[in-house]
Amino acid sequence: KQEVTQIPAALSVPEGENLVLNCSFTDSAIYNLQWFRQDPGKGLTSLLLIQSSQREQTSGRLNASLDKSSGRSTLYIAASQPGDSATYLCAVEGQGAQKLVFGQGTRLTINP
Amino acid sequence: NAGVTQTPKFRILKIGQSMTLQCAQDMNHNYMYWYRQDPGMGLKLIYYSVGAGITDKGEVPNGYNVSRSTTEDFPLRLELAAPSQTSVYFCASSYSLVFSYNEQFFGPGTRLTVL
Repeated sequence: KQEVTQIPAALSVPEGENLVLNCSFTDSAIYNLQWFRQDPGKGLTSLLLIQSSQREQTSGRLNASLDKSSGRSTLYIAASQPGDSATYLCAVEGQGAQKLVFGQGTRLTINP
Repeated sequence: NAGVTQTPKFRILKIGQSMTLQCAQDMNHNYMYWYRQDPGMGLKLIYYSVGAGITDKGEVPNGYNVSRSTTEDFPLRLELAAPSQTSVYFCASSYSLVFSYNEQFFGPGTRLTVL
């Protein structure tokens, strides 16, 4: 059974810092991995999707990497801003599953 | 496009009551999903549907029922509500083909409290 873990559960950093969020998964036979952002009381917004054949994806100040063999993904946020404060969730789709398994999320706070 | 819409936004139920959470999408997606999110936790899949008339259980289906009579709508039925069903419920949809990626789009959620 696929399990997805995100560490740390919460992170607080001053504005302007570069930071890394971690996601690990137990079964490397995945189809893709998605990073989502969730604002308090809101739904999920997809940030980046990495297919299993890719090693990274970039969007603006965000860069996500994927290492299937070690069961790890990282989300790198450059030059953090207070508006980046949110919970970040990663989710993996198993091969042939057409279903996502989510981590518990990292609550990020960027202090002005 | 409105994307994925959910109603109601909030609801309080008494133990033993029943209700239906509504979900609709206007993107002509074939796949639809229901998740629940408990405080401080990730999302867990309740039920999903790969097309009209086809549904299947996810990780936590007990206490829920679904139907998919049209491509657009995927209601979630709670029978005999229990305090353990207090949660935020998210509906999602995607256009999925075999051997293609499966980006899911989420609704804003329904916050349900059972007292």
